[in-house]
Amino acid sequence: QKEVEQNSGPLSVPEGAIASLNCTYSDRVSQSFFWYRQYSGKSPELIMSIYSNGDKEDGRFTAQLNKASQYVSLLIRDSQPSDSATYLCAVIGGGSYIPTFGRGTSLIVHP
Amino acid sequence: DADVTQTPRNRITKTGKRIMLECSQTKGHDRMYWYRQDPGLGLQLIYYSFDVKDINKGEISDGYSVSRQAQAKFSLSLESAIPNQTALYFCATSAGDRGNQPQHFGDGTRLSIL
Repeated sequence: QKEVEQNSGPLSVPEGAIASLNCTYSDRVSQSFFWYRQYSGKSPELIMSIYSNGDKEDGRFTAQLNKASQYVSLLIRDSQPSDSATYLCAVIGGGSYIPTFGRGTSLIVHP
Repeated sequence: DADVTQTPRNRITKTGKRIMLECSQTKGHDRMYWYRQDPGLGLQLIYYSFDVKDINKGEISDGYSVSRQAQAKFSLSLESAIPNQTALYFCATSAGDRGNQPQHFGDGTRLSIL
């Protein structure tokens, strides 16, 4: 069974700091990796996709993928209180087009 | 306007009632999905459809049925609602031309079964 693991948190960081969110996955042949942000009671919103090893940057967000170690991370620079949300990691494994979602990490950015 | 539209946004109903949740999309995506989300349990896949003639069960399909009326429409039915189906329900879509595209979610339907 494919598994995607995230620390449920909450992860608490001060405003302006770097928030680091981590995700590990069990399917070694996974090909596609996504980070979603979900505010309480709202729908998940895609913030990053990454398919190749290394870093991918988009504004204050950087996704890092290491397939050999089977982890993907999300860094949020200059964290703002508006970044407070649950961050979901999703992974599409080899031979499947259905993503497996982690349960999410709650992030709190305090002023 | 939202690309993925769910109706109704909120629904309160009684045990034993039949309920239909509707999802329509203007993204032109072939693939559509229904999820439920309970606090602390993450997203659970109920059903998914890769095209109009393709319907597949997800991990928690018991008690639910679906209909793919058109490429743009995918409905979820609870034939006889029970209280433990109280949850937040999301419809999602993804492009079908490549298999590894991200999903895009509707705003959700908050369903309460009394």
